[in-house]
Amino acid sequence: DSGVTQTPKHLITATGQRVTLRCSPRSGDLSVYWYQQSLDQGLQFLIQYYNGEERAKGNILERFSAQQFPDLHSELNLSSLELGDSALYFCASSDGQGNSPLHFGNGTRLTVT
Amino acid sequence: GESVGLHLPTLSVQEGDNSIINCAYSNSASDYFIWYKQESGKGPQFIIDIRSNMDKRQGQRVTVLLNKTVKHLSLQIAATQPGDSAVYFCAENWSNSGYALNFGKGTSLLVTP
Repeated sequence: DSGVTQTPKHLITATGQRVTLRCSPRSGDLSVYWYQQSLDQGLQFLIQYYNGEERAKGNILERFSAQQFPDLHSELNLSSLELGDSALYFCASSDGQGNSPLHFGNGTRLTVT
Repeated sequence: GESVGLHLPTLSVQEGDNSIINCAYSNSASDYFIWYKQESGKGPQFIIDIRSNMDKRQGQRVTVLLNKTVKHLSLQIAATQPGDSAVYFCAENWSNSGYALNFGKGTSLLVTP
Protein backbone atom coordinates (compact mmCIF):
# COMPACT_ATOMS: atom_id res chain seq x y z
CA ASP A 1 0.00 0.00 0.00
CA SER A 2 1.57 3.27 -1.18
CA GLY A 3 -0.52 5.43 1.15
CA VAL A 4 -1.91 7.41 -1.80
CA THR A 5 -5.69 7.19 -2.10
CA GLN A 6 -7.63 7.85 -5.27
CA THR A 7 -11.38 7.98 -5.76
CA PRO A 8 -13.40 6.84 -7.53
CA LYS A 9 -11.81 3.63 -8.83
CA HIS A 10 -14.01 3.57 -11.89
CA LEU A 11 -15.92 6.27 -13.71
CA ILE A 12 -18.12 5.92 -16.76
CA THR A 13 -19.50 9.01 -18.39
CA ALA A 14 -20.62 10.39 -21.74
CA THR A 15 -18.85 12.65 -24.19
CA GLY A 16 -19.17 16.31 -23.38
CA GLN A 17 -19.49 15.73 -19.66
CA ARG A 18 -17.25 16.89 -16.82
CA VAL A 19 -15.77 14.74 -14.06
CA THR A 20 -13.64 15.28 -10.97
CA LEU A 21 -11.02 12.83 -9.77
CA ARG A 22 -9.77 13.01 -6.22
CA CYS A 23 -6.43 12.18 -4.63
CA SER A 24 -5.17 12.12 -1.06
CA PRO A 25 -1.36 12.04 -0.84
CA ARG A 26 0.74 10.01 1.57
CA SER A 27 0.90 11.44 5.04
CA GLY A 28 3.66 14.06 5.14
CA ASP A 29 3.98 14.49 1.38
CA LEU A 30 3.49 18.03 0.14
CA SER A 31 3.64 17.40 -3.59
CA VAL A 32 1.03 15.77 -5.80
CA TYR A 33 1.47 14.70 -9.41
CA TRP A 34 -1.15 13.65 -11.94
CA TYR A 35 -0.44 11.19 -14.74
CA GLN A 36 -2.53 9.78 -17.56
CA GLN A 37 -1.94 6.22 -18.74
CA SER A 38 -3.36 5.06 -22.04
CA LEU A 39 -2.42 2.02 -24.10
CA ASP A 40 -0.73 3.95 -26.88
CA GLN A 41 0.90 6.73 -24.86
CA GLY A 42 2.18 5.10 -21.71
CA LEU A 43 2.38 7.20 -18.55
CA GLN A 44 2.13 10.88 -19.42
CA PHE A 45 2.84 13.56 -16.85
CA LEU A 46 0.03 16.09 -16.61
CA ILE A 47 0.66 18.47 -13.75
CA GLN A 48 2.30 18.85 -10.34
CA TYR A 49 1.33 20.80 -7.24
CA TYR A 50 3.46 21.57 -4.22
CA ASN A 51 1.86 22.79 -1.01
CA GLY A 52 -1.12 24.23 -2.87
CA GLU A 53 0.79 25.88 -5.70
CA GLU A 54 1.23 24.66 -9.28
CA ARG A 55 4.89 23.71 -9.75
CA ALA A 56 5.18 22.03 -13.14
CA LYS A 57 3.02 21.37 -16.15
CA GLY A 58 3.30 18.54 -18.61
CA ASN A 59 1.06 17.45 -21.43
CA ILE A 60 -2.14 18.66 -19.87
CA LEU A 61 -4.96 19.73 -22.15
CA GLU A 62 -6.69 23.07 -21.65
CA ARG A 63 -9.92 21.14 -20.96
CA PHE A 64 -8.22 19.67 -17.89
CA SER A 65 -7.42 21.51 -14.69
CA ALA A 66 -6.30 20.62 -11.22
CA GLN A 67 -5.87 22.12 -7.80
CA GLN A 68 -4.42 21.24 -4.44
CA PHE A 69 -6.31 22.22 -1.34
CA PRO A 70 -5.00 23.40 2.07
CA ASP A 71 -5.36 19.87 3.46
CA LEU A 72 -3.09 18.80 0.55
CA HIS A 73 -5.61 16.63 -1.23
CA SER A 74 -5.88 17.30 -4.94
CA GLU A 75 -8.57 17.17 -7.58
CA LEU A 76 -8.22 16.74 -11.33
CA ASN A 77 -11.10 18.17 -13.33
CA LEU A 78 -11.72 16.90 -16.83
CA SER A 79 -14.29 18.73 -18.93
CA SER A 80 -15.84 18.49 -22.39
CA LEU A 81 -14.84 14.87 -22.35
CA GLU A 82 -13.97 13.08 -25.55
CA LEU A 83 -13.69 9.38 -26.33
CA GLY A 84 -9.91 9.75 -26.41
CA ASP A 85 -9.86 10.84 -22.78
CA SER A 86 -10.65 7.28 -21.74
CA ALA A 87 -7.63 6.19 -19.75
CA LEU A 88 -6.25 5.43 -16.33
CA TYR A 89 -5.50 8.54 -14.31
CA PHE A 90 -2.91 8.18 -11.58
CA CYS A 91 -2.03 10.44 -8.75
CA ALA A 92 1.38 10.24 -7.09
CA SER A 93 2.91 12.06 -4.18
CA SER A 94 6.35 12.88 -2.82
CA ASP A 95 7.85 15.27 -0.30
CA GLY A 96 8.71 17.54 -3.23
CA GLN A 97 12.06 18.47 -1.71
CA GLY A 98 14.31 16.87 -4.29
CA ASN A 99 14.64 13.92 -6.59
CA SER A 100 12.93 11.05 -4.83
CA PRO A 101 10.52 8.25 -5.73
CA LEU A 102 6.96 9.16 -6.51
CA HIS A 103 4.43 7.01 -4.71
CA PHE A 104 1.44 6.15 -6.85
CA GLY A 105 -2.16 5.43 -6.03
CA ASN A 106 -4.08 2.68 -7.80
CA GLY A 107 -5.68 5.05 -10.25
CA THR A 108 -9.10 5.99 -11.54
CA ARG A 109 -10.22 4.23 -14.68
CA LEU A 110 -12.20 6.68 -16.80
CA THR A 111 -14.38 5.40 -19.61
CA VAL A 112 -16.00 7.96 -21.91
CA THR A 113 -18.82 6.57 -24.04
CA GLY B 1 10.96 16.05 -27.57
CA GLU B 2 13.37 14.01 -25.56
CA SER B 3 12.08 10.75 -24.24
CA VAL B 4 12.87 7.59 -22.39
CA GLY B 5 12.48 4.39 -24.35
CA LEU B 6 12.76 0.65 -23.92
CA HIS B 7 14.54 -1.85 -26.16
CA LEU B 8 12.18 -4.80 -25.65
CA PRO B 9 8.42 -4.58 -25.25
CA THR B 10 8.09 -8.14 -23.88
CA LEU B 11 10.38 -10.54 -22.06
CA SER B 12 9.67 -14.15 -21.17
CA VAL B 13 11.91 -15.93 -18.66
CA GLN B 14 11.80 -19.18 -16.74
CA GLU B 15 11.32 -19.19 -13.02
CA GLY B 16 14.66 -19.12 -11.28
CA ASP B 17 16.51 -17.48 -14.15
CA ASN B 18 17.87 -13.97 -14.01
CA SER B 19 16.04 -11.23 -15.93
CA ILE B 20 17.50 -8.16 -17.55
CA ILE B 21 15.30 -5.30 -18.68
CA ASN B 22 16.91 -2.52 -20.68
CA CYS B 23 16.12 1.13 -21.16
CA ALA B 24 17.61 3.89 -23.29
CA TYR B 25 17.28 7.52 -22.40
CA SER B 26 18.02 10.53 -24.54
CA ASN B 27 18.23 13.45 -22.11
CA SER B 28 21.88 13.78 -21.13
CA ALA B 29 20.88 16.28 -18.45
CA SER B 30 18.88 13.69 -16.51
CA ASP B 31 20.51 12.89 -13.20
CA TYR B 32 17.98 10.67 -11.49
CA PHE B 33 16.50 7.39 -12.69
CA ILE B 34 13.93 5.00 -11.29
CA TRP B 35 12.50 1.60 -12.07
CA TYR B 36 8.85 0.87 -11.37
CA LYS B 37 6.82 -2.33 -11.46
CA GLN B 38 3.17 -2.23 -12.42
CA GLU B 39 0.84 -5.14 -11.84
CA SER B 40 -2.55 -5.39 -13.46
CA GLY B 41 -5.08 -3.09 -11.82
CA LYS B 42 -2.51 -1.31 -9.69
CA GLY B 43 -0.43 1.80 -9.81
CA PRO B 44 3.31 1.77 -10.50
CA GLN B 45 5.30 0.52 -7.54
CA PHE B 46 8.80 1.82 -6.79
CA ILE B 47 11.55 -0.80 -7.13
CA ILE B 48 14.90 0.96 -7.08
CA ASP B 49 16.46 4.28 -8.02
CA ILE B 50 19.91 5.54 -8.95
CA ARG B 51 21.51 8.95 -9.24
CA SER B 52 23.86 9.90 -12.03
CA ASN B 53 26.91 9.94 -9.75
CA MET B 54 26.59 6.16 -9.43
CA ASP B 55 27.02 3.30 -11.93
CA LYS B 56 25.38 0.55 -9.95
CA ARG B 57 22.97 0.13 -7.10
CA GLN B 58 21.73 -3.06 -5.52
CA GLY B 59 18.56 -3.86 -3.69
CA GLN B 60 16.92 -7.08 -2.65
CA ARG B 61 17.22 -9.37 -5.72
CA VAL B 62 17.42 -6.31 -7.99
CA THR B 63 20.32 -4.36 -9.41
CA VAL B 64 20.21 -1.21 -11.50
CA LEU B 65 23.10 -0.36 -13.80
CA LEU B 66 23.60 3.07 -15.31
CA ASN B 67 25.87 3.73 -18.28
CA LYS B 68 25.92 7.45 -18.87
CA THR B 69 28.28 7.18 -21.82
CA VAL B 70 25.68 5.41 -23.93
CA LYS B 71 22.66 6.67 -21.98
CA HIS B 72 21.55 3.20 -20.97
CA LEU B 73 19.83 1.89 -17.89
CA SER B 74 19.15 -1.72 -17.00
CA LEU B 75 17.28 -3.59 -14.30
CA GLN B 76 18.52 -7.02 -13.31
CA ILE B 77 16.25 -9.32 -11.32
CA ALA B 78 17.92 -12.33 -9.76
CA ALA B 79 16.16 -15.69 -9.42
CA THR B 80 13.01 -14.42 -11.11
CA GLN B 81 9.78 -15.57 -9.48
CA PRO B 82 6.20 -15.79 -10.81
CA GLY B 83 5.34 -12.80 -8.64
CA ASP B 84 7.78 -10.73 -10.69
CA SER B 85 5.49 -10.97 -13.72
CA ALA B 86 4.42 -7.40 -14.42
CA VAL B 87 5.16 -4.41 -16.63
CA TYR B 88 8.38 -2.62 -15.77
CA PHE B 89 8.96 1.05 -16.47
CA CYS B 90 12.11 3.08 -16.35
CA ALA B 91 11.76 6.79 -15.64
CA GLU B 92 14.00 9.81 -15.52
CA ASN B 93 13.61 13.14 -13.85
CA TRP B 94 11.78 15.42 -16.22
CA SER B 95 13.89 18.37 -17.19
CA ASN B 96 11.15 20.99 -16.88
CA SER B 97 9.75 19.63 -13.69
CA GLY B 98 9.70 20.16 -10.00
CA TYR B 99 10.82 16.54 -9.68
CA ALA B 100 8.18 14.94 -11.89
CA LEU B 101 9.28 11.83 -13.79
CA ASN B 102 9.28 11.05 -17.50
CA PHE B 103 8.34 7.42 -18.13
CA GLY B 104 9.27 5.00 -20.87
CA LYS B 105 6.63 2.83 -22.50
CA GLY B 106 7.29 -0.28 -20.42
CA THR B 107 8.43 -3.88 -20.79
CA SER B 108 6.14 -6.76 -19.97
CA LEU B 109 7.93 -9.49 -18.02
CA LEU B 110 6.37 -12.95 -18.05
CA VAL B 111 7.79 -15.58 -15.74
CA THR B 112 7.00 -19.15 -16.73
CA PRO B 113 7.25 -22.15 -14.39
